[in-house]
Amino acid sequence: GAVVSQHPSWVICKSGTSVKIECRSLDFQATTMFWYRQFPKQSLMLMATSNEGSKATYEQGVEKDKFLINHASLTLSTLTVTSAHPEDSSFYICSASITSGRANEQFFGPGTRLTVL
Amino acid sequence: AQSVAQPEDQVNVAEGNPLTVKCTYSVSGNPYLFWYVQYPNRGLQFLLKYITGDNLVKGSYGFEAEFNKSQTSFHLKKPSALVSDSALYFCAVRDRGGATNKLIFGTGTLLAVQP
Repeated sequence: GAVVSQHPSWVICKSGTSVKIECRSLDFQATTMFWYRQFPKQSLMLMATSNEGSKATYEQGVEKDKFLINHASLTLSTLTVTSAHPEDSSFYICSASITSGRANEQFFGPGTRLTVL
Repeated sequence: AQSVAQPEDQVNVAEGNPLTVKCTYSVSGNPYLFWYVQYPNRGLQFLLKYITGDNLVKGSYGFEAEFNKSQTSFHLKKPSALVSDSALYFCAVRDRGGATNKLIFGTGTLLAVQP
C-alpha cells in the first residue's frame, strides 16, 4: 500500500512552453502533498506544500506564478512549470502524506525528469 | 532553526563489512527521524523511522538506525553491506511540534559498496 505515482517520468520541452506534472496517490487519500526539486548530486529542496481544496504554501524563493500547483482532489496534485527555461531543468519529486495513524509519514513518487531545451 | 547534517558526502565500504552512514539533527522539541534511499533517477524509498520507544530502530533491507538524544544523532547502520546497497541515502527530520509535516532533508550520502 501507500503507492504514489508521477506522470510523466520524463519530459523534454522547448524553452517558453509549459509543462504539467501529475502526482497521484494510488491506494490512499492524501490531504497533503509536497513538491520537491532535486539538482544533480544534491538534496531535495521543498518547493511547496499542497493541501486539498486550498491554495498551496510556497517556500521562500519559489515563484508561485511560475510553479502552479493544483490539488483538486485527495488523490491528485499537479505542478505546472510555466514558461519553462533551461534553468528549470531538474528532477521533480512529489510526496503524499497520510493524515493519521502513520505519523503523517510521507510517501514519495518516482520523480519526473524535466529537461528544457 | 531546524537542520539535518550528513557530514560525509560519500562512504566507501567493502561488501560484507559493516556500514555506518552518519546523521545529526537540530530541532526544537522531540523529532521524528527518517532515513530514505534513492537509486539513480528514482524517487525516495522509505527505510525506517524513529518516533518513540526503543532507540534502535529496524527497517527495510536489513538496515537499522540508533537514535541518540544526547548526541542528537540518528546514524544508519547495516551489519553486512551488499553491492546492491550502493545508492544515495538521505536523513530527514520532522519537528513534532511543527504546524505542518514538512521534512527537512540532509544533503545526502552516497554509499559505494565495493565487491
